Parts: sequence; structure tokens; C-alpha cells
Amino acid sequence: NAGVTQTPKFQVLKTGQSMTLQCAQDMNHEYMSWYRQDPGMGLRLIHYSVGAGITDQGEVPNGYNVSRSTTEDFPLRLLSAAPSQTSVYFCASRGGGRGAGELFFGEGSRLTVL
Amino acid sequence: DAKTTQPPSMDCAEGRAANLPCNHSTISGNEYVYWYRQIHSQGPQYIIHGLKNNETNEMASLIITEDRKSSTLILPHATLRDTAVYYCIVVRVGGTSYGKLTFGQGTILTVHP
Repeated sequence: NAGVTQTPKFQVLKTGQSMTLQCAQDMNHEYMSWYRQDPGMGLRLIHYSVGAGITDQGEVPNGYNVSRSTTEDFPLRLLSAAPSQTSVYFCASRGGGRGAGELFFGEGSRLTVL
Repeated sequence: DAKTTQPPSMDCAEGRAANLPCNHSTISGNEYVYWYRQIHSQGPQYIIHGLKNNETNEMASLIITEDRKSSTLILPHATLRDTAVYYCIVVRVGGTSYGKLTFGQGTILTVHP
């Protein structure tokens, strides 16, 4: 199993450009989520999904859109990038139904918005 | 979910045990204590979790006080590769918030030769 795969690993955007960060997992996990981490800070939850067709907002959802058309994929879209969105983005997934569990994280996508 | 408090940084000599404390005085009966670590800028890595009993796995031990208001993560023989940020997180089982981990600042553990 590859686990959680994020692409691209690095990206530079200009203000106002749009892009999609891809996240895929091959563990048949129901739960997937996106976090961002700013320098010297902890991780903050952007959006999450408890299954295909179901998404919800986290702590810092503004400026980001998500969709979950399949169990495997959970892309994060930046519609109009802003310098404040310069960050490292982590995708994570967890198996099982209700209840807490171990989160598996991707390696991160480092985004710079000029 | 209950809030956690951790010291911002700790040091440990290589080969010695590293004991990382966490305070979660407002923890509820249906909340687990989870520990993750993040090495450099990699994605966080799960270490261990527990409800009320002490737990041990190949990476670490977790000691939870009887009143569950605090816990200690123990790395029995720290190595240089254990230098990382360690996060203590309280997670509610079930309900609408399950799986939504709230990461605080964590503890920066530095293991010295």
C-alpha cells in the first residue's frame, strides 16, 4: 500500500491563480481531511469528509473548496490564491466508522503564493 | 474536545528515557488521549493512544493518571531520531467531532548525543 499520497509536493502560485492539491489513499478509509501548517504553528483543520459525497468545514475553511466523489480521492481547491495561503498542507485519512482512530498523514504539499 | 497543555520544549540525553507530560484536566469520560509526533516538516506520525489504562507498544508507553487529568508519554531509550515535536491530543469517541484532531503547539523534544 502506498498509504496517503499528495501531489504536488511543491508549488508556487501568483496571487489570484487557482489550483488543486490532490490527495489519494489506497486503504479504503472513510474519513479524510486536510490540514494546513504555518511556520512554527500546529496543524489547523481546513475541511474533512466522513465518506464519499459528504464534506464539512473545519477550523479554517475560507478560501478552500473540497469534494469527495470517490472513497480514494479528496482534492483541495484554492479558487483564488492569496499570500495568506502560503503554507504546508497535509492530507490525512482514517479507517473505521464512528469513533476516534489513528490518522495516516501524507508527506505534505508546500505551497507558496507570491 | 478537551484542551491540552504541554511544555513548549524539553531536552533528553541519548539513551535515556524521555518523559513528556500532558495536562488535560477537562477530559471527559468518552475522550481518548492520543500522541503524535512530527519530525522536521514531515506529516505527523501516530505513536500511541489510551483511554484510562496504561498502554505500551513498540514505540512508547503511555501512562494516564487515575483521575485521567494528565498523562505522560515515555520513550524508554531516546535516540537522536526521536528529536521531533510531540503532540498530545484528546479525541472524543463517536459523535460529530470524531476524527477531527485539534493540534496544539506540542512539545519540541531535542535529544542530545
